[in-house]
Amino acid sequence: SQKIEQNSEALNIQEGKTATLTCNYTNYSPAYLQWYRQDPGRGPVFLLLIRENEKEKRKERLKVTFDTTLKQSLFHITASQPADSATYLCALVGDSSYKLIFGSGTRLLVRP
Amino acid sequence: GAVVSQHPSWVICKSGTSVKIECRSLDFQATTMFWYRQFPKQSLMLMATSNEGSKATYEQGVEKDKFLINHASLTLSTLTVTSAHPEDSSFYICSAYSGGVSNQPQHFGDGTRLSIL
Repeated sequence: SQKIEQNSEALNIQEGKTATLTCNYTNYSPAYLQWYRQDPGRGPVFLLLIRENEKEKRKERLKVTFDTTLKQSLFHITASQPADSATYLCALVGDSSYKLIFGSGTRLLVRP
Repeated sequence: GAVVSQHPSWVICKSGTSVKIECRSLDFQATTMFWYRQFPKQSLMLMATSNEGSKATYEQGVEKDKFLINHASLTLSTLTVTSAHPEDSSFYICSAYSGGVSNQPQHFGDGTRLSIL
């Protein structure tokens, strides 16, 4: 069956360090993958999209990699700040166009 | 740009009541809107896909008579939870998609916290 897995344990890091979050998937061949940020009681906010033919994408302090052989995406936040504390969700295109299938998210806590 | 407004943000009502949730795209036309449900510490689960002017497509296991969806215009979709019961209590989130190509992001509302007593 199709699965998207993100580490359910919270990632707790010191301010200024690089946070690395993992998204693994099985039985999917997504054309692209997206990362969203969700704060408590709020809807997700789009961060980055990476296509299957792209190995890496950057936006300011954010970097996403996409390895279709390993079926894995890594999401990095460099020089992390307490304001980066949130839950980060990865999402893949489902079987039909436009439909997104979300992972369960990883909570990031950045200590001052 | 790409702002989605969802209303109400929070509702408490008695069992048996019907509740309507609105989702509006404020600064773009949404050819497709999605409705999700999220339980605490869980992921977003897609309930249905709504295209303007046509019937919604529901995911497996979602009762279409229970969760009525109307997408009457390119900027408004509504979800009505009919005869709500405590097990329907959840966080409901809509998203809007402007279409065109399939690799565009979805733009989410801030969700509606529904509590059925």
